[in-house]
Amino acid sequence: EAQVTQNPRYLITVTGKKLTVTCSQNMNHEYMSWYRQDPGLGLRQIYYSMNVEVTDKGDVPEGYKVSRKEKRNFPLILESPSPNQTSLYFCASSSGPWAGYTFGSGTRLTVV
Amino acid sequence: GQQLNQSPQSMFIQEGEDVSMNCTSSSIFNTWLWYKQDPGEGPVLLIALYKAGELTSNGRLTAQFGITRKDSFLNISASIPSDVGIYFCAGPPGGSQGNLIFGKGTKLSVKP
Repeated sequence: EAQVTQNPRYLITVTGKKLTVTCSQNMNHEYMSWYRQDPGLGLRQIYYSMNVEVTDKGDVPEGYKVSRKEKRNFPLILESPSPNQTSLYFCASSSGPWAGYTFGSGTRLTVV
Repeated sequence: GQQLNQSPQSMFIQEGEDVSMNCTSSSIFNTWLWYKQDPGEGPVLLIALYKAGELTSNGRLTAQFGITRKDSFLNISASIPSDVGIYFCAGPPGGSQGNLIFGKGTKLSVKP
């Protein structure tokens, strides 16, 4: 089944403890992206990647890192999480620049 | 940065009614995408539009790419309970590749 898989689905962590949210797609898509969703603010793009080793900042990149060493994987790294990064995170992938993203099921992160 | 403005923010309708919602921007877009998000899930792409004036249908859903290229419209005919959810418009600001911004959504509630 074609899908975007992100793990974990739920995560509670403490301020300052580095964490990684994994994302993998099995559709051989070139484009991948991370979004966060917050009440009243909608979906905001954190980072996106056009291909292996090619990434760019979205609208809210502060406090996040990404890497694209393989085409199928696009992990999101929070080096020093803070409570304002508590959010619902979505990974997504796309076959082309304007084809629209296919989204994963989300990771609900709580930073205390 | 650029914003997509969706209206209405929410709608409460009776089953069987038709629904209209729209999305506007102060800038021109070359692509308009419409997504639906069910509770606890990631957004799912419904319709993609690539040409000014284009009218595209997906079952009971019809979307239009506004001729000014600054707006788009989504109509749902004969609504049913499973149409409940949040509908988002999205587009690439400045025609950028991979960068996709979202409106804040229209929440649809359907009364059986």
